[in-house]
Amino acid sequence: QLQLQESGPGLVKPSETLSLTCTVSGDSITSSSSYWGWIRQPPGKGLEWIGSIYYSGNTYYNPSLRSRVTISVDTSKNQFSLKLSSVTAADTAVYYCARMTRSGWEFDCWGQGTLVTVSS
Amino acid sequence: QSALTQPASVSGSPGQSITISCTGTSSDFGSYNLVSWYQQHPGKAPKLMIYEGSKRPSGVSNRFSGPKSGNTASLTISGLQAEDEADYYCCSYAGSSTLVFGGGTKLTVL
Repeated sequence: QLQLQESGPGLVKPSETLSLTCTVSGDSITSSSSYWGWIRQPPGKGLEWIGSIYYSGNTYYNPSLRSRVTISVDTSKNQFSLKLSSVTAADTAVYYCARMTRSGWEFDCWGQGTLVTVSS
Repeated sequence: QSALTQPASVSGSPGQSITISCTGTSSDFGSYNLVSWYQQHPGKAPKLMIYEGSKRPSGVSNRFSGPKSGNTASLTISGLQAEDEADYYCCSYAGSSTLVFGGGTKLTVL
């Protein structure tokens, strides 16, 4: 059974870099049919796609966040990671990792999410 | 890249049918039929309900359907049940290897 689990600091200071890791179990991150993505949700607001990655390292980013986002993959650990630089309070959100199909670009399995608060 | 437009809220009584619309531009939907719909209960992760416009994942009730016409996608829930009360989000492939979500719709079962 596929499971995804986000991990990382729950509190980040303004102007610093937010770093999260998603550990995948029950499926190989090198699956040819999958991308792996990050989505966030500010408290009380809607979902926002951050970006996605293929195991080969090809990345796809939300244009509005592209300048601050880096997504990487570690196939040896079956993990992928998110780095978001120069954070502000507006980046406070629940961050989800999810598996995305290559065929339809839908997210068919999600992690439980992790709240990251940006505050000094 | 603007969010897709959804009504903020919809409501219906048990047993009724409701439809949630999701409107974008030709650059959002384009010629693709890569619209997905997600259900989110409070404090929970979203759950995929519809993909590629009208397909249902295994385990999702056939009370959920999702036709698309032009630049508008729709999610219809028939035979409304109390457990359907949740937030619903549409999402579409928007070209150039990007995705865009709708703003979300709160469904209330009266």
